[in-house]
Amino acid sequence: NAGVTQTPKFRVLKTGQSMTLLCAQDMNHEYMYWYRQDPGMGLRLIHYSVGEGTTAKGEVPDGYNVSRLKKQNFLLGLESAAPSQTSVYFCASSRGLGTQYFGPGTRLTVL
Amino acid sequence: AQKITQTQPGMFVQEKEAVTLDCTYDTSDQSYGLFWYKQPSSGEMIFLIYQGSYDEQNATEGRYSLNFQKARKSANLVISASQLGDSAMYFCAMREGDGGSQGNLIFGKGTKLPVKP
Repeated sequence: NAGVTQTPKFRVLKTGQSMTLLCAQDMNHEYMYWYRQDPGMGLRLIHYSVGEGTTAKGEVPDGYNVSRLKKQNFLLGLESAAPSQTSVYFCASSRGLGTQYFGPGTRLTVL
Repeated sequence: AQKITQTQPGMFVQEKEAVTLDCTYDTSDQSYGLFWYKQPSSGEMIFLIYQGSYDEQNATEGRYSLNFQKARKSANLVISASQLGDSAMYFCAMREGDGGSQGNLIFGKGTKLPVKP
């Protein structure tokens, strides 16, 4: 049982490049979330999804897009990366409003 | 105003002793949930314990217990018999509401806890 997995684990981008982060969960959870963690800031919600085909904005959505085409996958896209998007990105999933279980994180550096 | 406040950015505990990590929260909802997560130096977020706003008894999970004082809006984490492996950042988080389409967590800024031998 893998739980929540994230791909890739590390990535370095140049300003203006694009990329997609993949989150996959095998727990059949309806809800999925993308957070970012910056030093001294705790985690902040970027986007979330309450089911396949639905997404919604969180606290810090600007510069990001998401898609939930399959229940088990939640993709986070950066269309034109900026240095301010240098962060550690965490995906999480939950069964309804229950406990959220997190992936191992993706460390992204934008030069 | 911050919704989750962790007033101790850093503290330490001696191995085998107990330690309390503070968390206060701010919400006008009647139904909400409070969570504690541990983040070791390896970076993953590990769920520790959960307390629902309607739960009358304090939550316990092994060496972890949550001292829930609803009137004071505090949800302190107590770790008993600290072990070296408890060294980590600890985050308090709140989920507001009991329905609708959200369920996202609001996190505090964390408390760094090294355990000294």
